[in-house]
Amino acid sequence: QTVVTQEPSLTVSPGGTVTLTCASSTGAVTSDLYPNWFQQKPGQAPRALIYSTDNKHSWTPARFSGSLRGGKAALTLSGVQPEDEAEYFCLLYYGGSQLWVFGGGTKLTVL
Amino acid sequence: QITLRESGPTLVKPTQTLTLTCSFSGFSLTSSGVAVGWIRQPPGKGLEWFALIYGTDDKRYSASLKTRLTITKDTSRSQVVLTMTNMDPVDTGTYFCAHRTGGGFDYWGQGILVTVSS
Repeated sequence: QTVVTQEPSLTVSPGGTVTLTCASSTGAVTSDLYPNWFQQKPGQAPRALIYSTDNKHSWTPARFSGSLRGGKAALTLSGVQPEDEAEYFCLLYYGGSQLWVFGGGTKLTVL
Repeated sequence: QITLRESGPTLVKPTQTLTLTCSFSGFSLTSSGVAVGWIRQPPGKGLEWFALIYGTDDKRYSASLKTRLTITKDTSRSQVVLTMTNMDPVDTGTYFCAHRTGGGFDYWGQGILVTVSS
């Protein structure tokens, strides 16, 4: 069973920078896994932020960026705002089995 | 503008079959590059992808739920229907449908909370 792992929780100060990561139990995360990132606030549906590693949607704030870092997918928030406090989920696509797997989520606190 | 909305029962009994409908607008589910997926979230827990159907009618299911799932589409009604058999209390959660293209799962419905209880 494929497992996708994220940091359970992170804390960042307003205006600061934080990087969330997403690892795969199958090995290094590459662009072939088409990493997606989502933001979810309590009581709301997830909102798509990043697709295919580093592509932003038209509504994605400029302070969010995606990348590959050290064999993992990464989501970096630069100049964090209080409204960025939320849970963040990554999603990887395993083309061999044609399945999608979410990470467990990172709860980001802005304090 | 792309929108999706989930509908169906909010309470089902154990062993019953759940049928959920995803009604969508703003796109046509007729090409290979477009798909609608289902994702669920138990209360207070993370997201789980479990089904997807392409415009070509090609279908994908998660390995853990495959034997219990059927996903179909009705292009004329702009709907995707999901059935999940033999419901159990552990299946309680919010069920989302989402639009997928090369841009990932970009548009999501608001979700529907399904409780499995006798």
